[in-house]
Amino acid sequence: QVQLVESGGGLVKPGGSLRLSCAASGFTFSDYYMSWIRQAPGKGLEWVSYISSGGTTISYADSVMGRFTISRDNAKNSLYLQMNSLRAEDTAVYYCAGVVMKYYYYMDVWGKGTTVTVSS
Amino acid sequence: DIQMTQSPSSLSASVGDRVTITCRASQSMSSYLSWYQQKPGKAPKLLIYAASSLQSGVPSRFSGSGSGTDFTLTISSLQPEDFATYYCQQSYSTPWTFGQGTKVEIK
Repeated sequence: QVQLVESGGGLVKPGGSLRLSCAASGFTFSDYYMSWIRQAPGKGLEWVSYISSGGTTISYADSVMGRFTISRDNAKNSLYLQMNSLRAEDTAVYYCAGVVMKYYYYMDVWGKGTTVTVSS
Repeated sequence: DIQMTQSPSSLSASVGDRVTITCRASQSMSSYLSWYQQKPGKAPKLLIYAASSLQSGVPSRFSGSGSGTDFTLTISSLQPEDFATYYCQQSYSTPWTFGQGTKVEIK
């Protein structure tokens, strides 16, 4: 069945780095844009970044621009988020999602999330 | 950035009630609007895309309407499994933005 599974979360000190992964199965990964969305504890959803199906078009939220890098490996059906210079405010559950980019754009498949905690 | 404002932030309703949640955008965005449902400890689930298109597998009691700046999610007859938090989200321009959420609780 269609599935996204995130991994790589954990506890990291401020200023540290972490790399999240998202493994896709059950659909043609290379046809989909992919996105990362996060949710701080007790808060709402915040879009982080997206990457086009071929990896050539990328966009970031201002809050992570210059610190986070999104990438993908279509041969491995995998999406990544390299997070550097982490701050306490980056603490959140991070979800990957598949994005339908036809005339309208929407996130129709989501992973269960991986938790990132930035604390000393 | 396009700001998305949902109202109300929370509501209490009974099973069988008709529930309406509104989402207002800070600028016109055609129909680039999606609605998601999130239950505690779970990932969001897509309900509506393109403002009024029902995602496959979503019960027909959910419906969406609107275009431009004003949008509505309606649950025609609230069911026990519908108690959750609902978010609108715009994909008209980056950064994509979500509303703050509307928590639907049991009265």
